[in-house]
Amino acid sequence: GENVEQHPSTLSVQEGDSAVIKCTYSDSASNYFPWYKQELGKGPQLIIDIRSNVGEKKDQRIAVTLNKTAKHFSLHITETQPEDSAVYFCAAPSDTGRRALTFGSGTRLQVQP
Amino acid sequence: NAGVTQTPKFQVLKTGQSMTLQCAQDMNHEYMSWYRQDPGMGLRLIHYSVGAGITDQGEVPNGYNVSRSTTEDFPLRLLSAAPSQTSVYFCASSYSDSGLGEQFFGPGTRLTVL
Repeated sequence: GENVEQHPSTLSVQEGDSAVIKCTYSDSASNYFPWYKQELGKGPQLIIDIRSNVGEKKDQRIAVTLNKTAKHFSLHITETQPEDSAVYFCAAPSDTGRRALTFGSGTRLQVQP
Repeated sequence: NAGVTQTPKFQVLKTGQSMTLQCAQDMNHEYMSWYRQDPGMGLRLIHYSVGAGITDQGEVPNGYNVSRSTTEDFPLRLLSAAPSQTSVYFCASSYSDSGLGEQFFGPGTRLTVL
């Protein structure tokens, strides 16, 4: 089945700096890669996703890049703000034929004011 | 539009007890799923459903049952609770019947099994 590895597990940055979180996946047939943000005490919320027919997608301060050859994708947050502090999860499709996602283990991002 | 709702928010059970976690959505989504979240392990899929009357197992289905009699509701049953089932449980729904689209998560149920 699909194996999604995410790192780092924790990340601390100064306000205004950039943050990068990386994920690798194992199934070369995977074609959909979302990123979710989970604030304390809440359920995860989709912040950006990318499909395998593009290499990069941006939404204001957030961008995701995809390298299909190396089977990895990354979340980039620029000009970080204290409200970006949260746990971030990447995901990829699970086993072929199973209509589900496999999530990474999460990255706790702390933005220091 | 309430989105995805879950009840209860907190629950404490004794080993061997059974209970049902409730999940409902008012977005007319065909796809619904249950995850458990444990420290350092991310979200793991328990069961999912692509429509009323259709359910399938996820990554960690043992000890849990589901049914989907309506589009709106997707309850998760713990048959005989064990301490290993102590976790935070999230229900989610999606407009994509493949599950490969935005999933809307509920607020979660924190379950402790003593």
